[in-house]
Amino acid sequence: AQTVTQSQPEMSVQEAETVTLSCTYDTSESDYYLFWYKQPPSRQMILVIRQEAYKQQNATENRFSVNFQKAAKSFSLKISDSQLGDAAMYFCAYRSYSGGGADGLTFGKGTHLIIQP
Amino acid sequence: ETGVTQTPRHLVMGMTNKKSLKCEQHLGHNAMYWYKQSAKKPLELMFVYNFKEQTENNSVPSRFSPECPNSSHLFLHLHTLQPEDSALYLCASSQVGTVSSGNTIYFGEGSWLTVV
Repeated sequence: AQTVTQSQPEMSVQEAETVTLSCTYDTSESDYYLFWYKQPPSRQMILVIRQEAYKQQNATENRFSVNFQKAAKSFSLKISDSQLGDAAMYFCAYRSYSGGGADGLTFGKGTHLIIQP
Repeated sequence: ETGVTQTPRHLVMGMTNKKSLKCEQHLGHNAMYWYKQSAKKPLELMFVYNFKEQTENNSVPSRFSPECPNSSHLFLHLHTLQPEDSALYLCASSQVGTVSSGNTIYFGEGSWLTVV
């Protein structure tokens, strides 16, 4: 079974600064997907960024980028130019590549990100 | 608007009641999921439906009964729940079987359940 670990229960950053959220995972599979989801106080789970394990290039989405280290099984999220609207719980998640199947996500416990104005 | 709609958003029920949570997805997906989110615990996958067939049941107690009449609708029937079942229940959907889908799962806004 896969596990996902987020070792930072809470992080705080000044507005406009950069912050990095950590995530490690454990798996014996070679093909899989990794995700970062954001959950604001509304509790809506919003996809932030996605990484396919077979791709060496790190995914980026505007101010959000990842540092994917497959050998180290590490998948950190960097948020540049932090904004007040970035305040939320951030969840790292793993999904098996099941060749078209409908496997669910395995989530970490989350990191609460606070943005200081 | 995420394309996945859950009703009701809030539900309070007694331990002897029978109620249902409803989920509808407008994304043309063919797989749907129920997740449970409790305080201080990671999100837990409860059920998976792929093309209306249940493909996963993560040791969920029988007091939770899912129903998937078609690829767009998913229900969670609740019966004789316990106070520890109080949680946020999230429905999600995805398109499986296509590389372009990226295997991304999209979530609804959740249904807050309180068992008294």
